[in-house]
Amino acid sequence: GENVEQHPSTLSVQEGDSAVIKCTYSDSASNYFPWYKQELGKRPQLIIDIRSNVGEKKDQRIAVTLNKTAKHFSLHITETQPEDSAVYFCAASTTGNQFYFGTGTSLTVIP
Amino acid sequence: KAGVTQTPRYLIKTRGQQVTLSCSPISGHRSVSWYQQTPGQGLQFLFEYFSETQRNKGNFPGRFSGRQFSNSRSEMNVSTLELGDSALYLCASSLGGTRTDTQYFGPGTRLTVL
Repeated sequence: GENVEQHPSTLSVQEGDSAVIKCTYSDSASNYFPWYKQELGKRPQLIIDIRSNVGEKKDQRIAVTLNKTAKHFSLHITETQPEDSAVYFCAASTTGNQFYFGTGTSLTVIP
Repeated sequence: KAGVTQTPRYLIKTRGQQVTLSCSPISGHRSVSWYQQTPGQGLQFLFEYFSETQRNKGNFPGRFSGRQFSNSRSEMNVSTLELGDSALYLCASSLGGTRTDTQYFGPGTRLTVL
């Protein structure tokens, strides 16, 4: 089955700096890659997603890039703010709604 | 639209007991997936139900089972509880068509096994 690896497991950045989280996947059939943000004690919330026919997608300060050849995708957060502090999960899915999640990155933005 | 809801929010059980968790999806969503979340393990896929049928299954023992009703509500059952079953159990709903679509999570049920 699919295997998703996520790095780093923890990340600390100064407010205003950029943060980058990387994920690799193993199944070349995976075609949908969402990113979720989970604040302490809350449910995971979708923040951005990308499909395999697109190389990059941006939504304000958040962007995701996908390299299908290398089987990796990354989350980029620019101009980080303290409210960006949370755990971020990447995931990969083939058709059929079976998702495989990374183990999460705990991001801390230091004011 | 109301979001995904889960009941109960918290449960405390002892080893050997069984437990049933419930998930109500967003109206119009026909797919419900269940995940186990533990520290350091991330979200591990249990199973997915679509139109009352289990469509996908993760690598969990047979003690973990589920079902889906005609109104798309889903239940998950864990029998013969073990200490290692202590976790946050999340369900997520989506439209469930052939194209993989966005999953929306419920708040989770925190299960503690003593």
